[in-house]
Amino acid sequence: RKEVEQDPGPFNVPEGATVAFNCTYSNSASQSFFWYRQDCRKEPKLLMSVYSSGNEDGRFTAQLNRASQYISLLIRDSKLSDSATYLCAVPDTGRRALTFGSGTRLQVQP
Amino acid sequence: EPEVTQTPSHQVTQMGQEVILRCVPISNHLYFYWYRQILGQKVEFLVSFYNNEISEKSEIFDDQFSVERPDGSNFTLKIRSTKLEDSAMYFCAISDRGDGELFFGEGSRLTVL
Repeated sequence: RKEVEQDPGPFNVPEGATVAFNCTYSNSASQSFFWYRQDCRKEPKLLMSVYSSGNEDGRFTAQLNRASQYISLLIRDSKLSDSATYLCAVPDTGRRALTFGSGTRLQVQP
Repeated sequence: EPEVTQTPSHQVTQMGQEVILRCVPISNHLYFYWYRQILGQKVEFLVSFYNNEISEKSEIFDDQFSVERPDGSNFTLKIRSTKLEDSAMYFCAISDRGDGELFFGEGSRLTVL
């Protein structure tokens, strides 16, 4: 199993839709999980951190399922500006450094 | 306002040449990282630096790579003899907690011809 795996998408959704991405991870000992957003040819930017079962910030909700080893990111009321690639990141097995997934591309359409 | 600035923004070099990429944190931070992203691929960890020494490095970070924080401010990544496959965007990142909440610079694009 890859360290961090994401559905590459793209997810094409209309404005106002709710969309969810999943990310599976192999490091069962990890205590922290992260979602980053990356715009085309730009640097990743931290979106959300998850240290327990989940986290919510406005329209964004991250949930952790330890038993099945996945985290999800839910975006409600999608905006055009949400169009980006969403990267899941989890510390490597036996390390603190993050392993990033390949990202899920979201395209919100008018 | 970015937490770190990176220079150069883009460098074109010939295969076999040495390249130095620089990262300047805006304020004091504890943890420093270099990641790279080959075009169209995922962000890959290279090395982390804490307390003026390497704390972790990946399989990618071989003898061709080195990092320094020579004056307590700049954080540099040196590639001694560049190869075509070193062409990528190189991101510097900082963290205050070392736990995965990273703040990335805008990146330095390296093109090796």
